[in-house]
Amino acid sequence: GAVVSQHPSRVICKSGTSVKIECRSLDFQATTMFWYRQFPKQSLMLMATSNEGSKATYEQGVEKDKFLINHASLTLSTLTVTSAHPEDSSFYICSASPSSGGAFTDTQYFGPGTRLTVL
Amino acid sequence: GQQVMQIPQYQHVQEGEDFTTYCNSSTTLSNIQWYKQRPGGHPVFLIQLVKSGEVKKQKRLTFQFGEAKKNSSLHITATQTTDVGTYFCAGPSSNTGKLIFGQGTTLQVKP
Repeated sequence: GAVVSQHPSRVICKSGTSVKIECRSLDFQATTMFWYRQFPKQSLMLMATSNEGSKATYEQGVEKDKFLINHASLTLSTLTVTSAHPEDSSFYICSASPSSGGAFTDTQYFGPGTRLTVL
Repeated sequence: GQQVMQIPQYQHVQEGEDFTTYCNSSTTLSNIQWYKQRPGGHPVFLIQLVKSGEVKKQKRLTFQFGEAKKNSSLHITATQTTDVGTYFCAGPSSNTGKLIFGQGTTLQVKP
């Protein structure tokens, strides 16, 4: 089946530092990947759509300068949380679809998530 | 805006009892997807329903898509402790196609 990996799985950082999270599709290519944020006991909230070779599309209310997304290749997307603050502490999850269209209607395969704690 | 709602939010059952979670969309969906998230884990795809009135089974799990394609349900027969987790439904937005997740139903199973 389709496998998506994320690294790191957990990160603890000091306020003001930047943290980079990698999302990789291991056995398929993904022109589109998605980044979600999940607070404890809440649902997933789409933050942005990562597009290979072009700029990411951000959801309303998500600061693009705060959450930098780079889709470097067909198998790798990175999310950088810049100047992290305690309120950025959350569970960040990426997803991708093996279908070539990368449409939202396609089954999404999620990475294992990255738990970010900002002190 | 378009919403996908799930009930109940939490459900505690005794092992062996049945469990059902319901998903309702404010608009007609082209398809509905179900995911399971174990405590501390990430969402894992379970199934996708596309056709009106569709019913699919996976062992003890039965998934239904309503005739109007606005609601769906997941029924687990004779729950086991391995069924513990949060079950999310998700449907694509009619405007953008983006997946909208329900709030999830968290299932606790007492052994």
